[in-house]
Amino acid sequence: EVHLVESGGGLVKPGGSLRLSCAASGFIFSDYSMSWLRQAPGKGLEWVSSISSSNSHIFYADSVKGRFTISRDNAKNLLFLHMNSLRAEDTSVFYCARGRAKTRSVAGVFGSWGQGTLVTVSS
Amino acid sequence: DIQMTQSPSTLSASVGDRVTITCRANQSINTWLAWYQQKPGTAPKLLIYTASNLESGVPSRFSGSGSGTEFTLTISSLQPDDFATYYCQQYNNYWTFGQGTKVEI
Repeated sequence: EVHLVESGGGLVKPGGSLRLSCAASGFIFSDYSMSWLRQAPGKGLEWVSSISSSNSHIFYADSVKGRFTISRDNAKNLLFLHMNSLRAEDTSVFYCARGRAKTRSVAGVFGSWGQGTLVTVSS
Repeated sequence: DIQMTQSPSTLSASVGDRVTITCRANQSINTWLAWYQQKPGTAPKLLIYTASNLESGVPSRFSGSGSGTEFTLTISSLQPDDFATYYCQQYNNYWTFGQGTKVEI
């Protein structure tokens, strides 16, 4: 069974940094693209960033480009999101998600999701 | 950017009702569309991909249709477990979600 567990969320001041982690198990991590998505309190879903299985393809939403960096460690089955220059509008539950299907690029469909980790940006 | 618009935003229904949610894209996305269900405090769950393919384990009362710019999610007979918020998501060009449709009693 696919299992994704996010960690690293918390309270951070505007302009601060945070690193989120996602521990994956139950599947061959290096076979699948991975993504981060977020959901502001009471709002809808927003795609944030995606990375292909071999790091060859990386994409960012315009809202986080230049501030966030996605990475993965296939040896340790870990996905990361390094977040810098955080703003109040970044306050959200951040989810990691696995692509539904194996692909060399990034899967379009998010087949499995973690439970999320809350990031609050406030002074 | 591809914008996705769902209607209605809120839908009141009863157990046993047939429910239809519409999702429109501002440009053609072929059939690169997925539907998710989200219950309060939990992560979204994939229901349908490529507009009409039912994800494994999802009850057959859920179905999807459409292509191009207009899509529908139909629940043939609403069950108590189906009261939730539903999102469409395009993956023709990057990834964009609709604003969600809350199905309530």
